Amino acid sequence: KAGVTQTPRYLIKTRGQQVTLSCSPISGHRSVSWYQQTPGQGLQFLFEYFSETQRNKGNFPGRFSGRQFSNSRSEMNVSTLELGDSALYLCASKLAGNAGTDTQYFGPGTRLTVL
Amino acid sequence: GENVEQHPSTLSVQEGDSAVIKCTYSDSASNYFPWYKQELGKGPQLIIDIRSNVGEKKDQRIAVTLNKTAKHFSLHITETQPEDSAVYFCAASKGNTPLVFGKGTRLSVIA
Repeated sequence: KAGVTQTPRYLIKTRGQQVTLSCSPISGHRSVSWYQQTPGQGLQFLFEYFSETQRNKGNFPGRFSGRQFSNSRSEMNVSTLELGDSALYLCASKLAGNAGTDTQYFGPGTRLTVL
Repeated sequence: GENVEQHPSTLSVQEGDSAVIKCTYSDSASNYFPWYKQELGKGPQLIIDIRSNVGEKKDQRIAVTLNKTAKHFSLHITETQPEDSAVYFCAASKGNTPLVFGKGTRLSVIA
């Protein structure tokens, strides 16, 4: 079974621009979560989508948004980019349903650099 | 909300020795505790997980122990090898809440 895939793998943007990142979950997985990883803050939860609905949301500004499509693929968007948005953005998927302790699998990430 | 503390932040061991990484959590209702390994340029990879109805779980050279009373859990790697060198993350969650991660431990195995 193919793993979680993310595109693009690398992205360079300038301040003020916006960016869209894409994630394809493992086949059959209905939950997709997004995380931001930086050296200083570690892995921080952005949001989770399940069946096209946002189920959980982290403590990030409204410039960070996401959505999920009927095939469970997900996109996240960051508008008005700031230098501090430079990070590795990770997508993770799991079966979840109601079993909240389903194993979560991560993709390779998208490395975003904001200049 | 949940808070996960992870120690140590860096760990160096000689090849063949054991490595132990410890995590504490704050929410006594947390019931799922996975461990992830992240190599350079890759996403975190699940190596072992434990649920709160179990005190210990082993998978070859890797084991995890959970002490619910003390709210801490530990990762044990025996007979370490150079390929075990990576950053390790612990995490905790309950129900459908998101995983909360520790800050990570950079393990270096010296040949």
